[in-house]
Parts: sequence; C-alpha cells; structure tokens
Amino acid sequence: GDSVTQMEGPVTLSEEAFLTINCTYTATGYPSLFWYVQYPGEGLQLLLKATKADDKGSNKGFEATYRKETTSFHLEKGSVQVSDSAVYFCALIGSSSASKIIFGSGTRLSIRP
Amino acid sequence: EPEVTQTPSHQVTQMGQEVILRCVPISNHLYFYWYRQILGQKVEFLVSFYNNEISEKSEIFDDQFSVERPDGSNFTLKIRSTKLEDSAMYFCAMEDVNTGELFFGEGSRLTVL
Repeated sequence: GDSVTQMEGPVTLSEEAFLTINCTYTATGYPSLFWYVQYPGEGLQLLLKATKADDKGSNKGFEATYRKETTSFHLEKGSVQVSDSAVYFCALIGSSSASKIIFGSGTRLSIRP
Repeated sequence: EPEVTQTPSHQVTQMGQEVILRCVPISNHLYFYWYRQILGQKVEFLVSFYNNEISEKSEIFDDQFSVERPDGSNFTLKIRSTKLEDSAMYFCAMEDVNTGELFFGEGSRLTVL
C-alpha cells in the first residue's frame, strides 16, 4: 500500500541555518504530496502541497519540489527561525485512497537562538 | 482559514469507561475524518465519514469505535470501553469540497488510566 518515509528526528539547528527534511514516498499512480506542521500544543496545519510532478509548493519560506523520478518531496528552508520549531509531517493522498491522508512518522525540529 | 473546533481539549478517563469526542463542522464540508496520534508516533487514519455513512475505516477502528452525526451538526467519535492503549491525541478533519483541502482541529487529548 501507499506509504511515506521521512527523516527521523529530532533535528536541532541554529537560527539562520539551512534546513532539509527528507521525505520519500511509495504510491501507485500520481499522489498529491503535502507537508503539515504541528506547533507545540496545537493541531496539524497544512504548510504546503504539490499535486503533480515537478510542482513546487512553498509557504512561509519553506519549499518542497515533487520529484517523481526519485519519489521524493524534501522540505527545505534557507534560513530557519526559532519560531519554526515544531514537528513536521510529510503526507500523501494516493490516487486510489480518495482523500485519506497517509502521514509519515514526523520530524521534530528544534531551533536554537 | 476555516476553523475546526474539537471538544474536549483534554479528557482523562478510567479504563473501561465510554468516551465521546466531538467535532463542530464547517459549512460546505461534507467529508469528515478522524485520525489519532499516540504520543511520539505517527498520525494514523481511523475513519472517514460521508453522507452519514462510514466510507472507509482502518484496522484500528474496531467494534469499540463508532462515529455519527447525532443531530446533523456535530460529528462524534465514541469509544465504548476505553483501553490504556487508546490514550492518544484524536484529530478531527474536514474536507473542503471545492478545493479538496483537509482542515484539522486542534485535537482532543485522551488519557486512559
């Protein structure tokens, strides 16, 4: 079945560092890909998405490009801030699973001032 | 951005007790979902609900679980006889039928003692 594998955390960086969180997926057809963020004490929020190959999703300085050839959707940010500290979930909706989102295990990111 | 409201935010219960978690829907959102996240683990799909019927459910969603819209408005998840392993954060999600985007509530934390 469809699945998502993402980089294990926790990841700790200094402020203004470059961030990459790796995500790869397994799915039949052409899934839609997402990154969700969970700030401390809050629910899941959609950060960005891409619905077809080579699309780039972006929001709040974060970017991720849908790479079908490598089945990847890595999350990047050029300069992280303390406020980016959160848990990040890579997710997909497969073409055969209606709108059921399948999440990765999450990566906890901590940014030091 | 639409808000999905869940109640209670936190419930502590004794093993074997019944628990009802509630989700207040947004207009034009016809698909409802429940997910759960055991502490430190991935977000797992429980059930999807459309037009007053379950459309899909996972292996986790056994006979102890049920969902309904008792008054045509609130969307509830009931656990008939809670077990220790039911302790988790439960997220309600709703789909915008126009965009297909899922909106998550802030979650209800269930602690079973």
